[in-house]
Amino acid sequence: DSGVTQTPKHLITATGQRVTLRCSPRSGDLSVYWYQQSLDQGLQFLIHYYNGEERAKGNILERFSAQQFPDLHSELNLSSLELGDSALYFCASSGSRGGNNEQFFGPGTRLTVL
Amino acid sequence: ELKVEQNPLFLSMQEGKNYTIYCNYSTTSDRLYWYRQDPGKSLESLFVLLSNGAVKQEGRLMASLDTKARLSTLHITAAVHDLSATYFCAVVTYFGNEKLTFGTGTRLTIIP
Repeated sequence: DSGVTQTPKHLITATGQRVTLRCSPRSGDLSVYWYQQSLDQGLQFLIHYYNGEERAKGNILERFSAQQFPDLHSELNLSSLELGDSALYFCASSGSRGGNNEQFFGPGTRLTVL
Repeated sequence: ELKVEQNPLFLSMQEGKNYTIYCNYSTTSDRLYWYRQDPGKSLESLFVLLSNGAVKQEGRLMASLDTKARLSTLHITAAVHDLSATYFCAVVTYFGNEKLTFGTGTRLTIIP
């Protein structure tokens, strides 16, 4: 158990809908990262937040957005869903412990768009 | 743009044998990580390699890093069935930009 929690574990929805994925980082970690894992694209970085501020963006679609709240949990919002958005979405967290900023991954949310 | 390549993509090996997974990356990097993923599960951190010549071992797995060659290896010694999983390397470009760029993954199957 990495200490990172994600809800829900599974999500099934229809095209055109909007969903919100939630992530709680390990206690004390200020950074949250979101990744998408799909069969055709592999594991891709989406976005990084540090203490409430966006730090870096990767291959994140304009239909997707994220935020990190004052209690450090983060939400990833996916809208106008398409079939191709079906994937495993992971969040990871890191802190200054150990000094190497190692990222610890949550269990993931499996999104299925029908 | 940083590219990370792993080979082989698929590996079937018999129990008791040794093998090596290779991870090449295209630009200078601060750190390299190895992760393990079981089917449908999350990523489990195996090793963090921080400097040139770093070598780390845990059980039957040993990872090394050559920053000059931009190459990391994950060596499996006397494989056992429990090691069947997908292994990913991931590279951080520089400290402060913490996005991980992942390799394609190596799906390892250990055959009894």
